[in-house]
Amino acid sequence: KAGVTQTPRYLIKTRGQQVTLSCSPISGHRSVSWYQQTPGQGLQFLFEYFSETQRNKGNFPGRFSGRQFSNSRSEMNVSTLELGDSALYLCASSFGTDDAEAFFGQGTRLTVV
Amino acid sequence: AQTVTQSQPEMSVQEAETVTLSCTYDTSESDYYLFWYKQPPSRQMILVIRQEAYKQQNATENRFSVNFQKAAKSFSLKISDSQLGDAAMYFCAYRRDLNAGNMLTFGGGTRLMVKP
Repeated sequence: KAGVTQTPRYLIKTRGQQVTLSCSPISGHRSVSWYQQTPGQGLQFLFEYFSETQRNKGNFPGRFSGRQFSNSRSEMNVSTLELGDSALYLCASSFGTDDAEAFFGQGTRLTVV
Repeated sequence: AQTVTQSQPEMSVQEAETVTLSCTYDTSESDYYLFWYKQPPSRQMILVIRQEAYKQQNATENRFSVNFQKAAKSFSLKISDSQLGDAAMYFCAYRRDLNAGNMLTFGGGTRLMVKP
């Protein structure tokens, strides 16, 4: 079956702009989590959505937001981009509360100039 | 808050040899899950092995095994018969019990190099 799909794979944006990243989970998976990966801060949890509801949220400013649709696809949005938002954004999906294994997508590389 | 520490930024191993990657974590929870993920240059995180805290037996997956010491809060990964394809970043990760949702806390990673 198809894995976790993230689009786009690469993105270049200008400081001050906003960006939307998309994640399509594995079919049947209802939980989608987002992570930011940078050389300085490593992998940091952004938020998790389960059945269209935000279940957990990491320690990021309000410029970072997300949502999940009824088909479990998720989007994350970053407004007023800063240079420090340049990172690899990873999405992970899992079946739900009774499944400990998360499957990751290949990520979206965001560069802010 | 839970923290995960990987004290070895880089490790090197000769092909066919054995290498052990270290991980320690801090938590006040009694039920949790621990994982090792591999991130090759393709950037996709791949689950290598997982351990449930309530299980005393160490997990094993082919050439990969863990040494889980719950009291010491230590979770090391042993790779036997190392192969060139094992070269990657390895991340140790912690997750609270299933009811807490799907939130992973990662260590800083260990870059493993495999010499032919």
